Amino acid sequence: EAGVTQFPSHSVIEKGQTVTLRCDPISGHDNLYWYRRVMGKEIKFLLHFVKESKQDESGMPNNRFLAERTGGTYSTLKVQPAELEDSGVYFCASSQGADRVTDTQYFGPGTRLTVL
Amino acid sequence: AQSVTQLGSHVSVSEGALVLLRCNYSSSVPPYLFWYVQYPNQGLQLLLKYTSAATLVKGINGFEAEFKKSETSFHLTKPSAHMSDAAEYFCAVITGFQKLVFGTGTRLLVSP
Repeated sequence: EAGVTQFPSHSVIEKGQTVTLRCDPISGHDNLYWYRRVMGKEIKFLLHFVKESKQDESGMPNNRFLAERTGGTYSTLKVQPAELEDSGVYFCASSQGADRVTDTQYFGPGTRLTVL
Repeated sequence: AQSVTQLGSHVSVSEGALVLLRCNYSSSVPPYLFWYVQYPNQGLQLLLKYTSAATLVKGINGFEAEFKKSETSFHLTKPSAHMSDAAEYFCAVITGFQKLVFGTGTRLLVSP
């Protein structure tokens, strides 16, 4: 069974440009999460999808970030326009059940974003 | 709000020595706690999780953790370190809204 995949693995962009990150969850997983780790800091929650609906987007930094999950399958996270402080590693995770808090979240390898 | 604190950003041990990575939690409700590991160039992998079934939790690769309510701790241990254990380890608590709240991570260095 394929794990969570993320694309690209690395992205280097100039300040003001747009970048789109993609996450493909494990097949059949209803829950999809985005997290971010800024250099030297803890991994922080960004948002949570249940199927195609946003369940919780309380961690989204500002309106430059837009997340979508088309048809309840893959998800994209767009940053527009990118700022220097957006640099970090963006992780995607997925889990199976919709109601079980303790379901394991399976993480992808992350996308390392560098904004110059 | 629920949170976890990891003591020590770096821990160094010799191969064969005991591994002890510390995690303390803060929670007003019974917590569900996790340890994840990140090997170089890989994603986070679940080592073990505490969901109140048993206070001593055994995980993969010989790791275990003990939930101690009186100490608000969930320290990760392994009796004998191996070179392949070198990685970054994250303690986390999950909120009722299914989001993980992570500690700052502890990088484990294993020397021969």
